[in-house]
Amino acid sequence: NAGVTQTPKFQVLKTGQSMTLQCAQDMNHEYMSWYRQDPGMGLRLIHYSVGAGITDQGEVPNGYNVSRSTTEDFPLRLLSAAPSQTSVYFCASRGNSATNTGELFFGEGSRLTVL
Amino acid sequence: ELKVEQNPLFLSMQEGKNYTIYCNYSTTSDRLYWYRQDPGKSLESLFVLLSNGAVKQEGRLMASLDTKARLSTLHITAAVHDLSATYFCAVDPNLQGAQKLVFGQGTRLTINP
Repeated sequence: NAGVTQTPKFQVLKTGQSMTLQCAQDMNHEYMSWYRQDPGMGLRLIHYSVGAGITDQGEVPNGYNVSRSTTEDFPLRLLSAAPSQTSVYFCASRGNSATNTGELFFGEGSRLTVL
Repeated sequence: ELKVEQNPLFLSMQEGKNYTIYCNYSTTSDRLYWYRQDPGKSLESLFVLLSNGAVKQEGRLMASLDTKARLSTLHITAAVHDLSATYFCAVDPNLQGAQKLVFGQGTRLTINP
């Protein structure tokens, strides 16, 4: 099984550029989420989705957009990149905790540098 | 609002020693998860604890959950260098329709020969 797949793994942007981080899961999970990880800051939730067509903000949503048109895909868009968005981004998914263990599965991460 | 705190945040220990990482959380929950992260890598699931008194063991690591005390521990027995990593606990708030986990800050564990 592929699990959670993120692309690209590495990206360098200039300030003001836009880009989309792609995330796909093949486990039929309802819940998907995006985290960013910065040194000394742990994992911070950016946006999440509990199903197709439903998204909500996490702890640090500013500067990011998401959409969930299918169960499988949950792209993260940076509209106008800023150096403060230099980080490692993780996509994660989990099944409904009412019917399974609710374990969160992570993608390999996308390392983004904004110059 | 659910808060999750790990202690200690940094731990340097010698091979062969035992130690415990603590994960405290602020509101009722009976689902807790432990993850391991190696430098430059993603988070890997270690343990899933789904009820009060749950205990799971894998090699030199053992995790337990006390929902009454709102505490989980990750115990390391006779540490070896390969266990050097950052360990995260994550708690499910158990709220209807709220599927997001809340993570602790992580404990960076360094095991020295």
